[in-house]
Amino acid sequence: GIQVEQSPPDLILQEGANSTLRCNFSDSVNNLQWFHQNPWGQLINLFYIPSGTKQNGRLSATTVATERYSLLYISSSQTTDSGVYFCAVPAGGTSYGKLTFGQGTILTVHP
Amino acid sequence: DAEITQSPRHKITETGRQVTLACHQTWNHNNMFWYRQDLGHGLRLIHYSYGVQDTNKGEVSDGYSVSRSNTEDLPLTLESAASSQTSVYFCASSPWGTGVFFGPGTRLTVL
Repeated sequence: GIQVEQSPPDLILQEGANSTLRCNFSDSVNNLQWFHQNPWGQLINLFYIPSGTKQNGRLSATTVATERYSLLYISSSQTTDSGVYFCAVPAGGTSYGKLTFGQGTILTVHP
Repeated sequence: DAEITQSPRHKITETGRQVTLACHQTWNHNNMFWYRQDLGHGLRLIHYSYGVQDTNKGEVSDGYSVSRSNTEDLPLTLESAASSQTSVYFCASSPWGTGVFFGPGTRLTVL
């Protein structure tokens, strides 16, 4: 099946710093999602981004489908950004909603 | 506001008992999914449904069943609970062509 690798596995920042999280996938996909799992366990949908770039406030994401990677940018980080960030792609590359998740990047933002 | 809810949020049961976890969404989404999240394995798909009366097995379906009698609900049943099924269970839903949205999760402990 498709493999999803995220880096770095852990990231520690001071409030106000910027960061880039990476997601590599092993096969062609027709969509990709980024999620934030907050410290209470809730999975929050950040971006649905099959290709190109999207922005939402301090967060933006870019997917380069032809090169099989996606990047999540967090600018001016805040303590509320702490948690685990997951990317997910369709199992088999195109199967809708049947997601294969990466192992996540654990982000800790210190005040 | 439309939403997706899960109940109970926490459950402790004994080995061998039948357990049903409820999932209800008011978005009128056709597609619904059940995932489990475990340390070391990330999120894995258990079952999914693309519409009423449609159910399909996911990656880790053994010991679980679902039924879809209406658009809003996809209950997950553990036929005979085992300690290996101790996990956090997430229900999710989506329309076609956009992202998957997750419920708050149910923490299940099988003693």
